[in-house]
Amino acid sequence: QSALTQPPSASGSPGQSVTISCTGTSSDVGLYNYVSWYQQPPGKAPKLVIYDVNKRPSGVPDRFSGSKSGNTASLTVSGLQAEDEADYYCTSYAGGNKVVFGGGTKVTVL
Amino acid sequence: EVQLLESGGALVQPGGSLRLSCAASGFSFTYHAMNWFRQAPGKGLEWVSSLGGGGISRYFADSVKGRFTVSRDTSMNTHYLQMNYLRPEDTAVYYCARLDDSWCRGSCNFDYWGRGTLVTVSS
Repeated sequence: QSALTQPPSASGSPGQSVTISCTGTSSDVGLYNYVSWYQQPPGKAPKLVIYDVNKRPSGVPDRFSGSKSGNTASLTVSGLQAEDEADYYCTSYAGGNKVVFGGGTKVTVL
Repeated sequence: EVQLLESGGALVQPGGSLRLSCAASGFSFTYHAMNWFRQAPGKGLEWVSSLGGGGISRYFADSVKGRFTVSRDTSMNTHYLQMNYLRPEDTAVYYCARLDDSWCRGSCNFDYWGRGTLVTVSS
């Protein structure tokens, strides 16, 4: 069982938006503004798409955005494209060199 | 350009050993903490181990503690995962990933990943 809770699946049509939640506790997501999101297309390695709750690494489209409220962080993918179909994982710093992970959400572009 | 290339994955019998390698290039190998993750077939990502940038601090998931060790060869810019007493549940694709810092102290991001290497534990 993962420390962070994500829905197993989410979907949207091309051009629409999809939002994925990531629920932790007051000891990780709720305490630190250090939530990251990783995108893993089928058969490929993970890729960092959001860090520090809402920052995008260079090269990540601004269609990807992150936010946080209390113990829940969210990733929104706007203007869905076929290439966005992937598994998405959230992580959060939990203190003392520890990072906790979510179980992943499969995003399907209909 | 930062690159990570894993190798060493194979079919091994339960109780056997295997050493995975992660060849790194394009960055200061002796600064960044290096990590191993794994992903069992159809499952999510699981963090396995970390080796701090100084090459001293080592951390392991409970599921592998006492069986797996990590090391590095700075002359070869290569990071290793030694896996002993392998079990069928260790079957997974193993990924090498770079932490964007020398150790995790807040904004801990795995900013570069290799393509992975498959380990199958079966008789």
